[in-house]
Amino acid sequence: AQKITQTQPGMFVQEKEAVTLDCTYDTSDQSYGLFWYKQPSSGEMIFLIYQGSYDEQNATEGRYSLNFQKARKSANLVISASQLGDSAMYFCAMSPWDRDDKIIFGKGTRLHILP
Amino acid sequence: DAGITQSPRYKITETGRQVTLMCHQTWSHSYMFWYRQDLGHGLRLIYYSAAADITDKGEVPDGYVVSRSKTENFPLTLESATRSQTSVYFCASNRKNTEAFFGQGTRLTVV
Repeated sequence: AQKITQTQPGMFVQEKEAVTLDCTYDTSDQSYGLFWYKQPSSGEMIFLIYQGSYDEQNATEGRYSLNFQKARKSANLVISASQLGDSAMYFCAMSPWDRDDKIIFGKGTRLHILP
Repeated sequence: DAGITQSPRYKITETGRQVTLMCHQTWSHSYMFWYRQDLGHGLRLIYYSAAADITDKGEVPDGYVVSRSKTENFPLTLESATRSQTSVYFCASNRKNTEAFFGQGTRLTVV
């Protein structure tokens, strides 16, 4: 069965510092996608970044990058130069491409950016 | 308007009543999902659908029923609401092998 583990329930980071949010996953599938979503206090779910299991390069989107280590089944989100607006809940998610395509989420990490 | 919309946004109902949460998307995405979000549990998948008339259970399907007669709609029904079903419910949709887009959420309170 697939499982996503986010071990950091909460994090406090000083503004302008880089932050790494941890995500490990468990799957027996060979083809899958990994995602990160942001949920601000307003409640909407915002897609941030995607990494395919066969992608050799780590995905980047602006200040977001995904540190993908396939052998360790790790897909950490890195936010460079954090901003106050980055304070939010962050969810890691995974979907197997070869089977049922359902998307499974971790429990999330609440990030607080301190001024 | 293009996108994915949920209705109602807020709902208070009594224990034992039937409640239906609506989800409508205009992208013709083949996949649709229902999640519930509870403190400490993240998002848990209730049901999902790969196409019209194809649905399957997720992690927490008990007490819920879904249908998908049209590609664009994916209603979620609580047949006899219980207090444990008080939650925020999210609908999402995507094309195969892509990121999912979420509705605004429905906050359901069962009293």
